[in-house]
Amino acid sequence: DAGVIQSPRHEVTEMGQEVTLRCKPISGHDYLFWYRQTMMRGLELLIYFNNNVPIDDSGMPEDRFSAKMPNASFSTLKIQPSEPRDSAVYFCASSAPGHRPGELFFGEGSRLTVL
Amino acid sequence: AQKVTQAQTEISVVEKEDVTLDCVYETRDTTYYLFWYKQPPSGELVFLIRRNSFDEQNEISGRYSWNFQKSTSSFNFTITASQVVDSAVYFCALSDEDSSYKLIFGSGTRLLVRP
Repeated sequence: DAGVIQSPRHEVTEMGQEVTLRCKPISGHDYLFWYRQTMMRGLELLIYFNNNVPIDDSGMPEDRFSAKMPNASFSTLKIQPSEPRDSAVYFCASSAPGHRPGELFFGEGSRLTVL
Repeated sequence: AQKVTQAQTEISVVEKEDVTLDCVYETRDTTYYLFWYKQPPSGELVFLIRRNSFDEQNEISGRYSWNFQKSTSSFNFTITASQVVDSAVYFCALSDEDSSYKLIFGSGTRLLVRP
């Protein structure tokens, strides 16, 4: 079975540019999570969806960040405009009711560098 | 507030040694869940175990074992007869009953197993 697929794997952009990260969850999973990993702050939950509906976005840093899940097989995390402090690895993860809550399946991450 | 502390930033052992990774947590909830995840060099986090607060039985899975002690708010992870493939960053995490999908991660412990 295919795992969680994220794209791009690496992105280098300049400050002020728009960045869009993409995620395809595991088929049949109805929870989707966006995490950010940095050296300073570790792993932080940004937002999560259940059945395509955002449940908790309290971790989204500011209005420059937005996330959408237009259907069960696709989600985006957008940063506009990007800033150097947004440089991080962004992980998407998914989970399903049949699994124990908290048992997440992670993608390989999108490493973002903002110059 | 919930918090997870992994005081060991990095551990280096020689293959076949036993190693214990420490995890101390803080929560005011009586019902909560504890987790361990592994992040190998490829980057994606891999679920290892989930334990609820009412189950203090230690668990063993092959060379892995977990020691949950509510009295000391600890959930330690031991690898017996370590192998080079165990080299990774290991994260302890915590969630509560109301937000069982919202994991609070520790800062991680980097384990290096040398041949």
